[in-house]
Amino acid sequence: GAGVSQSPSNKVTEKGKDVELRCDPISGHTALYWYRQSLGQGLEFLIYFQGNSAPDKSGLPSDRFSAERTGGSVSTLTIQRTQQEDSAVYLCASSFRHGQAVAFFGQGTRLTVV
Amino acid sequence: DAKTTQPNSMESNEEEPVHLPCNHSTISGTDYIHWYRQLPSQGPEYVIHGLTSNVNNRMASLAIAEDRKSSTLILHRATLRDAAVYYCILRDGEGKLIFGQGTTLQVKP
Repeated sequence: GAGVSQSPSNKVTEKGKDVELRCDPISGHTALYWYRQSLGQGLEFLIYFQGNSAPDKSGLPSDRFSAERTGGSVSTLTIQRTQQEDSAVYLCASSFRHGQAVAFFGQGTRLTVV
Repeated sequence: DAKTTQPNSMESNEEEPVHLPCNHSTISGTDYIHWYRQLPSQGPEYVIHGLTSNVNNRMASLAIAEDRKSSTLILHRATLRDAAVYYCILRDGEGKLIFGQGTTLQVKP
């Protein structure tokens, strides 16, 4: 597709279960970002992948959160032992790597932990 | 990461120009100034970016101060569809995007 694709668009899970969120970036984009947006709040940076470099994980809120990017393309954000405070929209974006590159966002995955 | 400061909210009347300010006094020489906006229930979308010179595109204009410590996003004729949260962001050569709280723009008919 032409844009950033995220799946699923909505996910309801029970507290304590693990979830995986997927992001398909725009083909050729070397940079990929994950953000979390709680209701009525701004975008909270989670993790940043840039080419073959080690990812910047400085925004991950706890060790229950992890992400990987396979083959420099698709990325998966995994949340283990979900808690109710993990409920949010998880947004993915991709871009080329340089300061003037435009980042393109997916529509997000709305995660609800019940 | 270089930081930006924006007003929490602004109001505008429909079909009038809107000037959204952003302060970035710690900007470095290689930081690009980017603006994104987030419409209700959508992911952020790119609006405009620049380095030193003023920029125009079909969506908006970006006016950059001569010392680059501030910039202004200009919507020439606000419409109801322009109601959104507008984010001013500095991007360095590494490209990491860190969002602040942004400015919530309300447009009144």
